[in-house]
Amino acid sequence: SQTIHQWPATLVQPVGSPLSLECTVEGTSNPNLYWYRQAAGRGLQLLFYSVGIGQISSEVPQNLSASRPQDRQFILSSKKLLLSDSGFYLCAWSVRGLYNSPLHFGNGTRLTVT
Amino acid sequence: EDQVTQSPEALRLQEGESSSLNCSYTVSGLRGLFWYRQDPGKGPEFLFTLYSAGEEKEKERLKATLTKKESFLHITAPKPEDSATYLCAVRNFGNEKLTFGTGTRLTIIP
Repeated sequence: SQTIHQWPATLVQPVGSPLSLECTVEGTSNPNLYWYRQAAGRGLQLLFYSVGIGQISSEVPQNLSASRPQDRQFILSSKKLLLSDSGFYLCAWSVRGLYNSPLHFGNGTRLTVT
Repeated sequence: EDQVTQSPEALRLQEGESSSLNCSYTVSGLRGLFWYRQDPGKGPEFLFTLYSAGEEKEKERLKATLTKKESFLHITAPKPEDSATYLCAVRNFGNEKLTFGTGTRLTIIP
């Protein structure tokens, strides 16, 4: 069966510090991968998605970036965090090429920027 | 731009009291509508996909229905363990992403 892992589960970082969140998927090949952010009282906002290694689409201009160095690994990064980067970050995968594959989410990283 | 609006924002029900959650959507071409359940501090858990108006899906005490403008999640005789936030999302024919609503926070009181 397929599983998705995100770490860390919680993170407290000062403003201006760098960020690296990692997500890996097991049990499937060539998935589509996604990073969403969920702020309190707001819906899930898509940040990045990837249909293959090195292929990243950005949805929202910001100081975050994403990379996909391996087929089942997706990394969210920032060089300098802002207070507004606080939120719940969720990684997800879907089956590439399947007409209406749902997204399957990890359990998220709660980021607090102080 | 795709838009999803869910109502109510929060709903409190007594155990066994049936009700419905609403998801209204605007999308250029609906490829699929998705329902998720999210428990506090967890990622959303997939429940259903609906593809076309008139379609219905059921799982235990939940039934999802779809029209050309909205979807309903009906919950019959709910139990306290059904307490969660329920999210609705749409996908259009143009891309792979899902656009989410802000959810309905459902609380079932024993």
